[in-house]
Amino acid sequence: DVKVTQSSRYLVKRTGEKVFLECVQDMDHENMFWYRQDPGLGLRLIYFSYDVKMKEKGDIPEGYSVSREKKERFSLILESASTNQTSMYLCASSEVTYEQYFGPGTRLTVT
Amino acid sequence: RKEVEQDPGPFNVPEGATVAFNCTYSNSASQSFFWYRQDCRKEPKLLMSVYSSGNEDGRFTAQLNRASQYISLLIRDSKLSDSATYLCVVNPPLGSSASKIIFGSGTRLSIRP
Repeated sequence: DVKVTQSSRYLVKRTGEKVFLECVQDMDHENMFWYRQDPGLGLRLIYFSYDVKMKEKGDIPEGYSVSREKKERFSLILESASTNQTSMYLCASSEVTYEQYFGPGTRLTVT
Repeated sequence: RKEVEQDPGPFNVPEGATVAFNCTYSNSASQSFFWYRQDCRKEPKLLMSVYSSGNEDGRFTAQLNRASQYISLLIRDSKLSDSATYLCVVNPPLGSSASKIIFGSGTRLSIRP
């Protein structure tokens, strides 16, 4: 079974803090994704990585950056958290067929 | 027109009923399609792939209609445990970046006893 883990299930941060969300997958997948999910807006892609150190912007990259130093790990960084970044953050990984496997999600609240 | 559209529902049906919902897509060059299931406050989980020839897995049948550009999901003999949100996923044309994968906003299904 593919396993995707995320560092925290729930996180509360203050406005202006730097926030790190970590994602690890154990299936040697090439592709990794970060999404955020908000009521009524569905899943929106923040960033995508297709290889170590390789990344592409998704639909809503503003205010976020990513890091992929190892194949199994993909980090999402909020440089200066703002209240409009309060959301559910979902990490996923996939092979070339694009069948994505999701982690359990991190519910981030920025106060 | 949105790239991927789903009726948000909710579909509220009695246990044992058959229910079907569609997902329309705008890019005729889209290559592959999936249905995911998402329970309340949980992550999406892959339910099944959708092939041109159709795909059946137990009580679930997925079909693709390329001419009309939609995929469908049929659930027979619905169970209480089928209550969830069903997301369709449309994958980009061959050679396109995986960043072009599009998720529908989901159809909420509620099965009542």
